[in-house]
Amino acid sequence: DSGVTQTPKHLITATGQRVTLRCSPRSGDLSVYWYQQSLDQGLQFLIQYYNGEERAKGNILERFSAQQFPDLHSELNLSSLELGDSALYFCASSAGRAEGLIQYFGAGTRLSVL
Amino acid sequence: DQQVKQNSPSLSVQEGRISILNCDYTNSMFDYFLWYKKYPAEGPTFLISISSIKDKNEDGRFTVFLNKSAKHLSLHIVPSQPGDSAVYFCAASRAAGNKLTFGGGTRVLVKP
Repeated sequence: DSGVTQTPKHLITATGQRVTLRCSPRSGDLSVYWYQQSLDQGLQFLIQYYNGEERAKGNILERFSAQQFPDLHSELNLSSLELGDSALYFCASSAGRAEGLIQYFGAGTRLSVL
Repeated sequence: DQQVKQNSPSLSVQEGRISILNCDYTNSMFDYFLWYKKYPAEGPTFLISISSIKDKNEDGRFTVFLNKSAKHLSLHIVPSQPGDSAVYFCAASRAAGNKLTFGGGTRVLVKP
């Protein structure tokens, strides 16, 4: 158990809809990262938050947004969903900046857009 | 632009033998390299890391080698066990606390 909790585990929805994925980081970790894995490919970085502030952005679509709350949990919002958004979405957390080399991953949310 | 590549999508090895997984990168700004293991329906699990100032790091049955001039790293698993059957991802980072850039993964099958 990595200590990172993601809910829900599975999500099935229709095109055009909006969903919210939730992540609770390991206790004490300040950084949260979101990654997308499509079709057995490598994980692609989407966005990072550090202690409530956006720290880095990757290949995140404008239809996607995220935030980190004061209790450090994070949510990834996906809107106007398309078939191509079907993927595994992973959240990871790390201790902080200098100490945060190792990222610990949740079990992921599998999103299916029909 | 794939900055981290794992050119072997799969590897099959006999139990007790050595598994060697390879990874190449193009970005010379990467300072840290990590290997993760992933079972189906689970998230990636950290295995071992190496910083760019070292050329080898060992942890039990796992050893990572880094050749900076060739921009190449490898993971050796000795001896391989059936429980090692999983997908292995190589990842790179420019600094601690930064995003990870992942390779496409290598699926390892260890046969009893």
